[in-house]
Amino acid sequence: GQQLNQSPQSMFIQEGEDVSMNCTSSSIFNTWLWYKQDPGEGPVLLIALYKAGELTSNGRLTAQFGITRKDSFLNISASIPSDVGIYFCAGLPGTGNQFYFGTGTSLTVIP
Amino acid sequence: EAQVTQNPRYLITVTGKKLTVTCSQNMNHEYMSWYRQDPGLGLRQIYYSMNVEVTDKGDVPEGYKVSRKEKRNFPLILESPSPNQTSLYFCASSFGYSNQPQHFGDGTRLSIL
Repeated sequence: GQQLNQSPQSMFIQEGEDVSMNCTSSSIFNTWLWYKQDPGEGPVLLIALYKAGELTSNGRLTAQFGITRKDSFLNISASIPSDVGIYFCAGLPGTGNQFYFGTGTSLTVIP
Repeated sequence: EAQVTQNPRYLITVTGKKLTVTCSQNMNHEYMSWYRQDPGLGLRQIYYSMNVEVTDKGDVPEGYKVSRKEKRNFPLILESPSPNQTSLYFCASSFGYSNQPQHFGDGTRLSIL
């Protein structure tokens, strides 16, 4: 299957700091999604991206669909304790009907 | 409330004893899928279904079966579970075409001894 490289694997930051994470693939994707997973729960959609170059915000979160269509980025500004969790990217290749997920970025926010 | 419901949430069982994890969605979604989540590997798709009576293999289908007799239900069947199927399982659904974001259930943690 497709490989999505998500980095960093984990982050420990102080409350109030900004966060950046990214996801890269070896092939072109048509859709990028970003999810957050809290302990004991399923992933919840944060942002969906459908066009190369697209920049979309959801509150303090901003995600971008890379111009090459092989990467995507998620930024969180002014982090707060409830941002703690695992963030996953997911991509849909140009061909096929299944999403592929990154391995996740575990975020810890220190108050 | 729109939701994807999985049962059971937790199960400990033994090798070889057939089990079924149920998944039901109340959003009239066409697309449903099953994933397993393992440390360091993220979410990997087991099977998916584009609509009733239409199912396809994902990346890791070995040892699993699914069926889609009704639009709202998509059970995952382990005919002869083995310890390497110990994992956290998620059911998900989405509206229309496969590029739509999926709604996930809260997960089922299976332990096969």
